[in-house]
Amino acid sequence: SQTIHQWPATLVQPVGSPLSLECTVEGTSNPNLYWYRQAAGRGLQLLFYSVGIGQISSEVPQNLSASRPQDRQFILSSKKLLLSDSGFYLCAWGWGAGQPQHFGDGTRLSIL
Amino acid sequence: RKEVEQDPGPFNVPEGATVAFNCTYSNSASQSFFWYRQDCRKEPKLLMSVYSSGNEDGRFTAQLNRASQYISLLIRDSKLSDSATYLCVVNAEGGGSNYKLTFGKGTLLTVNP
Repeated sequence: SQTIHQWPATLVQPVGSPLSLECTVEGTSNPNLYWYRQAAGRGLQLLFYSVGIGQISSEVPQNLSASRPQDRQFILSSKKLLLSDSGFYLCAWGWGAGQPQHFGDGTRLSIL
Repeated sequence: RKEVEQDPGPFNVPEGATVAFNCTYSNSASQSFFWYRQDCRKEPKLLMSVYSSGNEDGRFTAQLNRASQYISLLIRDSKLSDSATYLCVVNAEGGGSNYKLTFGKGTLLTVNP
C-alpha cells in the first residue's frame, strides 16, 4: 500500500530564515504530488503541484518554491520566510484524472 | 460564486442524531466528488467518493445532484467520534485530464454525549 511521509511535524522559524520541507511517497511510482497550505480557520489552498520529475506548476504567486528532484520526493522551499508564511503545510499524492488525494501528516510552521 | 461552498456550521448534535451537510459547486464540468473529514490539527482524510447514483458506506450516505450542482452527506446514528470538520471536494478542471481538486472550507460537526 502507499504511504506518504512529511517532516518535520512542527517548525518554528524566525522571519527572514530559509525553509525546506520534504515529502516522500512510498509504494507507488509516478504519482502526482501537491503542496497545500491551510491558514488558521481557513480552507486548503493549493500552492504547487507536480505531474513528474522536474515538472512544477505554481498556483499562486508567493514567497515559496517547490522542486521534485526524484519521482517520489517533493520539496517546498523558501529563501526568506515572511510572517504571512505561517500555517499548516500539507503534502499530498494522487493519481489525477479525478482521483482522490491522500495527505501526509502535515507540518505546522510558525514564523516569529 | 465560490467554487465549492459549504455551510460552515458549527453543527452541534446529540449522539444518535442524524445530520446532513450540503455543498454546492460552480463548475458544471466537474466530474469527481468526494467528502473528506479533518480532525482538529490533523490532515484531511478521504471519507468517501460520491457517485452519480448516490452511495452508502455504513452510517454515511452521499448523494449528487448534477443538475443543481449539489452534493450532500448524511450521517445517521451520530457517534462522538464523528466530531470533525467535513470537507466537500470537487475536481477543479473537469474533463478527462485534470490534476487538481478544490476543497470547500468545511463544516464543523460536534457530537455531544
